[in-house]
Amino acid sequence: AQSVTQLDSHVSVSEGTPVLLRCNYSSSYSPSLFWYVQHPNKGLQLLLKYTSAATLVKGINGFEAEFKKSETSFHLTKPSAHMSDAAEYFCVVGNNNDMRFGAGTRLTVKP
Amino acid sequence: DTAVSQTPKYLVTQMGNDKSIKCEQNLGHDTMYWYKQDSKKFLKIMFSYNNKELIINETVPNRFSPKSPDKAHLNLHINSLELGDSAVYFCASSQVAKSSYNEQFFGPGTRLTVL
Repeated sequence: AQSVTQLDSHVSVSEGTPVLLRCNYSSSYSPSLFWYVQHPNKGLQLLLKYTSAATLVKGINGFEAEFKKSETSFHLTKPSAHMSDAAEYFCVVGNNNDMRFGAGTRLTVKP
Repeated sequence: DTAVSQTPKYLVTQMGNDKSIKCEQNLGHDTMYWYKQDSKKFLKIMFSYNNKELIINETVPNRFSPKSPDKAHLNLHINSLELGDSAVYFCASSQVAKSSYNEQFFGPGTRLTVL
């Protein structure tokens, strides 16, 4: 069985400041982990993925995430937020076509 | 070319009606999925099809039935629509995982409103 918990339902940052979206996972075997982004009234877009290669994963739009097995975490970060980053972010754990989505974190970026 | 497409984009209908949502992918993937996203943005997997076989079926009412005429299509039929069926439905596809990697590609979603 596997599951994922996004620790914050809503994160608000100012433009130009760092972003941290937290995710913890549970999996009985070596997981694949993903972050997806959903802009308002849009579909889901893959930001980045971890598949047991490098633990620090770089994605699109300046986002990156670090896989920490000891902490069962896969937090998403970005050094400097842009207004266009405002969206809903989903952490996902998946294996053998069984994908489990977190409840989502809504990121608000203030000017 | 659109990788995963869904039709219609919006669907407004009366309670009790029967409706279908279509999904097509041109990625050559052999697994397709349907997800339901509720008003709180929570995504729940409903079905997946791999080579025309249902391999995941969560606790979804039997009013919902997936139909896959071929590997590139997975349609969702809903009978006797209820108010609680109002949501955004997403189709997705992926390649069958030979390892643990199984990135899914999502369609744009179909917003269903039941009146």
